[in-house]
Amino acid sequence: EAGVAQSPRYKIIEKRQSVAFWCNPISGHATLYWYQQILGQGPKLLIQFQNNGVVDDSQLPKDRFSAERLKGVDSTLKIQPAKLEDSAVYLCASKPRGGPGTDTQYFGPGTRLTVL
Amino acid sequence: AQSVTQLGSHVSVSEGALVLLRCNYSSSVPPYLFWYVQYPNQGLQLLLKYTSAATLVKGINGFEAEFKKSETSFHLTKPSAHMSDAAEYFCAVGGGATNKLIFGTGTLLAVQP
Repeated sequence: EAGVAQSPRYKIIEKRQSVAFWCNPISGHATLYWYQQILGQGPKLLIQFQNNGVVDDSQLPKDRFSAERLKGVDSTLKIQPAKLEDSAVYLCASKPRGGPGTDTQYFGPGTRLTVL
Repeated sequence: AQSVTQLGSHVSVSEGALVLLRCNYSSSVPPYLFWYVQYPNQGLQLLLKYTSAATLVKGINGFEAEFKKSETSFHLTKPSAHMSDAAEYFCAVGGGATNKLIFGTGTLLAVQP
């Protein structure tokens, strides 16, 4: 079974530029998460989708971050404009629809963003 | 509300020695608890999880953890460290309506030869 795919793996941009990250979850997984992991910290949830609907975006800085999952499969996370403090690893995770044994989130390799 | 505290941001052990990584949690609902491992430049890999079944949970690579409700703890142990165990370990708490995970700040494990 293929895992969670993310691209690009690395991205370097100047502040005030825009950037987009892509995630393809495990086939059949209804729930998709984007996390931000700043160096030296644990991952922090940015947004959670159930199919193509947003379940939780309370931690998403909506003035500059946006995310979509139009067809309920892959997802894009965008930052516009980027700030220095956005330098982090952006992790995508997916999970099957609820029920016994479906509580585990599976993580992709992440995209490391450096804002100069 | 849920939170996780990992005591010790850096732990160093000798190869063959006991590994003990500490995690305490706070949760207003019955918690699900997880330990994930992260190797350099990789995503998070699940080591083990507690989801209200057996309190002693066995995971991959010889790791195990015990859920102690009275102590609100979920410490990770391994009897004998191997060089390949060197990585960062994250404890996380989940549960509730959205099942989102709240992660601790991580413990970097170094294994000395």
